[in-house]
Amino acid sequence: DTAVSQTPKYLVTQMGNDKSIKCEQNLGHDTMYWYKQDSKKFLKIMFSYNNKELIINETVPNRFSPKSPDKAHLNLHINSLELGDSAVYFCASSQDGAHYGYGYTFGSGTRLTVV
Amino acid sequence: SQQGEEDPQALSIQEGENATMNCSYKTSINNLQWYRQNSGRGLVHLILIRSNEREKHSGRLRVTLDTSKKSSSLLITASRAADTASYFCATDDSGNTPLVFGKGTRLSVIA
Repeated sequence: DTAVSQTPKYLVTQMGNDKSIKCEQNLGHDTMYWYKQDSKKFLKIMFSYNNKELIINETVPNRFSPKSPDKAHLNLHINSLELGDSAVYFCASSQDGAHYGYGYTFGSGTRLTVV
Repeated sequence: SQQGEEDPQALSIQEGENATMNCSYKTSINNLQWYRQNSGRGLVHLILIRSNEREKHSGRLRVTLDTSKKSSSLLITASRAADTASYFCATDDSGNTPLVFGKGTRLSVIA
């Protein structure tokens, strides 16, 4: 019974296309996140979102936008894909942020390749 | 911005040996966490240590935290081939901001 699930697992697309990655969590967590992991394994926060607040990393291009239809879902939409967007994207969730003392639960990742 | 810096970047040991990884960070924290990532998989939460704790154990894992030096270490005792993975530290800075991850240590345990 997958706790945080992402689809698709692999995504190959051409430059300039628009694509979405879906994320769902069945843990009842309040906060969800999107992280980008580059080829050197560096994990960078892109967004965090709960019912009340969207926190955007200011370095994320506005071509990236999170969309949350409900508490259990946080999808990532990317417009006008560029070669540099190629990376592994991870969705994660937590109960009211890390400061409550619980860790994050991660999805298995979506490997995006822009050609 | 990046907070944690793991050291070493890569570590190769024989099965049965202990593995020690270090993490340094820059700002004050509420807690520090360690995660494991197997190749091609997501990150898995291993252990959390709060800023007022100095040491914590979980099975073969031992984590220490020195807030005066802004550093933490993860010790895996009696390593196994299945421990082969990348290990990341992550800091929570007391606010409502997301975890900030370090660059990770790649551990290879040779059978």
